Amino acid sequence: DAGVIQSPRHEVTEMGQEVTLRCKPISGHDYLFWYRQTMMRGLELLIYFNNNVPIDDSGMPEDRFSAKMPNASFSTLKIQPSEPRDSAVYFCATLGTSGNLWADTQYFGPGTRLTVL
Amino acid sequence: GQNIDQPTEMTATEGAIVQINCTYQTSGFNGLFWYQQHAGEAPTFLSYNVLDGLEEKGRFSSFLSRSKGYSYLLLKELQMKDSASYLCAAPRLLNTDKLIFGTGTRLQVFP
Repeated sequence: DAGVIQSPRHEVTEMGQEVTLRCKPISGHDYLFWYRQTMMRGLELLIYFNNNVPIDDSGMPEDRFSAKMPNASFSTLKIQPSEPRDSAVYFCATLGTSGNLWADTQYFGPGTRLTVL
Repeated sequence: GQNIDQPTEMTATEGAIVQINCTYQTSGFNGLFWYQQHAGEAPTFLSYNVLDGLEEKGRFSSFLSRSKGYSYLLLKELQMKDSASYLCAAPRLLNTDKLIFGTGTRLQVFP
């Protein structure tokens, strides 16, 4: 398996532009997580899905952020409009659970490094 | 509330042993994770403890004391490639399921 795939790997955009980050989970994994990582705040969970349904989006910072999972093999995280404070590395992680969500390992994608000028 | 604390940075010498501590306060408990993250790369899973005691995996061991809200990661026979950030994480179970990560301990191994 190729692991979790994210695109793009790097994104540089100007303030006010729309940014779309993409994630392809490991086949068969039914949980998908979006994280944001900065030096100041560390790794923060933004939202996660189970079987394509959003379960907890309490980490999404504000209405400018939205995430979708239209099918089991694809998810997007969209920022519109983007702001300089959104600059961070965004990770997608997935896991296939045996029943106890937190007993299973999350596999992280390589991340998208976003810079908003 | 939910809080995970770990030192920001540590240094050690190649071949030595280093212990990275983590204290946590969580609403409910369902295990504690350690992840390794090399600079510019994604976090990768190291260990998961749900019961008290020490679990050993080669050069790496992880310890948990639930009564004290305390864990440590022990790295033996340090190698240069062990230079990385080590993230402690625990699930928050009250109101919402969420894996909360500490800000990580950046370990630098010197020759």
